[in-house]
Amino acid sequence: KAGVTQTPRYLIKTRGQQVTLSCSPISGHRSVSWYQQTPGQGLQFLFEYFSETQRNKGNFPGRFSGRQFSNSRSEMNVSTLELGDSALYLCASSNQAGNASPLHFGNGTRLTVT
Amino acid sequence: DAKTTQPPSMDCAEGRAANLPCNHSTISGNEYVYWYRQIHSQGPQYIIHGLKNNETNEMASLIITEDRKSSTLILPHATLRDTAVYYCIVRVVYSGGGADGLTFGKGTHLIIQP
Repeated sequence: KAGVTQTPRYLIKTRGQQVTLSCSPISGHRSVSWYQQTPGQGLQFLFEYFSETQRNKGNFPGRFSGRQFSNSRSEMNVSTLELGDSALYLCASSNQAGNASPLHFGNGTRLTVT
Repeated sequence: DAKTTQPPSMDCAEGRAANLPCNHSTISGNEYVYWYRQIHSQGPQYIIHGLKNNETNEMASLIITEDRKSSTLILPHATLRDTAVYYCIVRVVYSGGGADGLTFGKGTHLIIQP
């Protein structure tokens, strides 16, 4: 089975721009979560989607948004980029067959804001 | 804040068992223990998880104390490729469905020595 796929792998944007990141979950997985990883704050939860509905949200400003499509693929959008948004953005999927189903992560999109 | 405490770093000789401790003294009844590891520039890799019984899979064993306040991840025969940051995470799983996002702490940097 193919793993979680994230595109693009690297991205460079300028302050004030917006960006959209894409995630394809493992086939059959219906839950997709997004995380931000920075050297200072570590890995932080952004939000989780299940069946196209946001089910859970971390403590991030409204500039960070996401959506999930009927095929479970997900996109994350960051508007009005700030230098502090430079980070590795990770997507994870789970099959939710059992509520304790583990999350499986992709290798992330490295965003650099200049 | 992370609900777990781990040593910042550990060394282990190649071929020996690596035992990584984790303290989660405030764990509640509906929280599972998950272990992930992360190699530089890759996404976290799921290793194993459990609620109260010991668990074993092809990668590792998870030993959870009877009071569930601590656990140990055991890599039975460590190799150089096991050098990584290991995260111990407790996660609330709701009986009605869904679960909280993962809260990552700083983890343990495990270094396997040749």
